[in-house]
Amino acid sequence: SQKIEQNSEALNIQEGKTATLTCNYTNYSPAYLQWYRQDPGRGPVFLLLIRENEKEKRKERLKVTFDTTLKQSLFHITASQPADSATYLCALEGPGGSYIPTFGRGTSLIVHP
Amino acid sequence: DTAVSQTPKYLVTQMGNDKSIKCEQNLGHDTMYWYKQDSKKFLKIMFSYNNKELIINETVPNRFSPKSPDKAHLNLHINSLELGDSAVYFCASSRAGEDEQYFGPGTRLTVT
Repeated sequence: SQKIEQNSEALNIQEGKTATLTCNYTNYSPAYLQWYRQDPGRGPVFLLLIRENEKEKRKERLKVTFDTTLKQSLFHITASQPADSATYLCALEGPGGSYIPTFGRGTSLIVHP
Repeated sequence: DTAVSQTPKYLVTQMGNDKSIKCEQNLGHDTMYWYKQDSKKFLKIMFSYNNKELIINETVPNRFSPKSPDKAHLNLHINSLELGDSAVYFCASSRAGEDEQYFGPGTRLTVT
């Protein structure tokens, strides 16, 4: 089965800096990878999807990279703001393209004013 | 307009009871899901259903069963509740299996 590793320790950064979160996976390489944001007491909210043939994807202050050789995705938030504080989850398609996505445990980001 | 809604938001019940959580989506999506998020915040898929096919995560006890009266609804029935079932349950939907998922607000289940 797929194993996804996200830094379990919270990432603390200062407002205005770039936050970089990591998602590493083992075993099979997924055709796509997604990033979600989850605030306390709420459901995850979709942010970005990147496919295996895409090295980078951007959306406003967000950037995602996907390195299938390293089996790693990096999630960047530039010019971070306290409102960006949340838990960020990465999710990979299930094995064999199944409809059973696998989520990482998420990394908590805290942006200090 | 709420895209994915769940009821109830909170559910407190005793061990051994049977309960249901309802989920509705008004997005016209074909695929719906149920997830369990435990106290360690690990989001684990339980079921995926797309009108034609139900995919069950093999680790889910058969006390849990999804029921879909129509494409917009996927309810979760839980029989003989156990203490370990306490968690937050999220419903989600997507246009297709690989697309972005829209999550409901969650149902916090507490079994005493």
